[in-house]
Amino acid sequence: EIVLTQSPGTLSLSPGERATLSCRASQSVSSSYLAWYQQKPGQAPRLLIYGASSRATGIPDRFSGSGSGTDFTLTISRLEPEDFAVYYCQQYGTSITFGPGTKVDIK
Amino acid sequence: QVQLQESGPGLVKPSETLSLTCTVSGGPISSYYWTWIRQSPGKGLEWIAYMYYSGNTNYNPSLKSRVTISVDTSKNQFSLKLSSVTAADTAIYYCARGATYWVYWGQGTLVTVSS
Repeated sequence: EIVLTQSPGTLSLSPGERATLSCRASQSVSSSYLAWYQQKPGQAPRLLIYGASSRATGIPDRFSGSGSGTDFTLTISRLEPEDFAVYYCQQYGTSITFGPGTKVDIK
Repeated sequence: QVQLQESGPGLVKPSETLSLTCTVSGGPISSYYWTWIRQSPGKGLEWIAYMYYSGNTNYNPSLKSRVTISVDTSKNQFSLKLSSVTAADTAIYYCARGATYWVYWGQGTLVTVSS
């Protein structure tokens, strides 16, 4: 099983700042089959990125994904008030597993 | 707009079978894969299984021995059965459309395992 580790656990930032979230895999994720989700309390996760760097339909371009192999990054260029949430990475190259999440909260 | 809605008992006794149904509206169940995912405080998000509408299935190896999923195209529904449940199976259960990543999700239903 591929284990995903996300860091930091919590990221405290102000609106307008840049957020950089990391997702590291215990082994290489084939074909960059990695996705990112945003989840707010009481809601289902929302797909942001798939294929490591492709934005899902309707996702603002302030969200971007990068990386390959075992190291992936989600960047939010300028935080909007609605971006404060928990973010999960998920790999689908070898079975399917999720990371434990990074909480982005307001500083 | 595709919508998914989970339904089923919110409380299941230990050792019994958890049964949930996902009703799909706004689009056909055919020609797509359908997935069950759960989320608990202890284990986070966990993929359970997915199934193609015609019957091809893929299960999480850690749950495979206890899970059965099925599709009823006549009702535009798909179902999950998880047997021999324990407190560790307490979670919010989501259904979703797709096999590998998911745009469309249900709102989730909390299932508690307790006597």
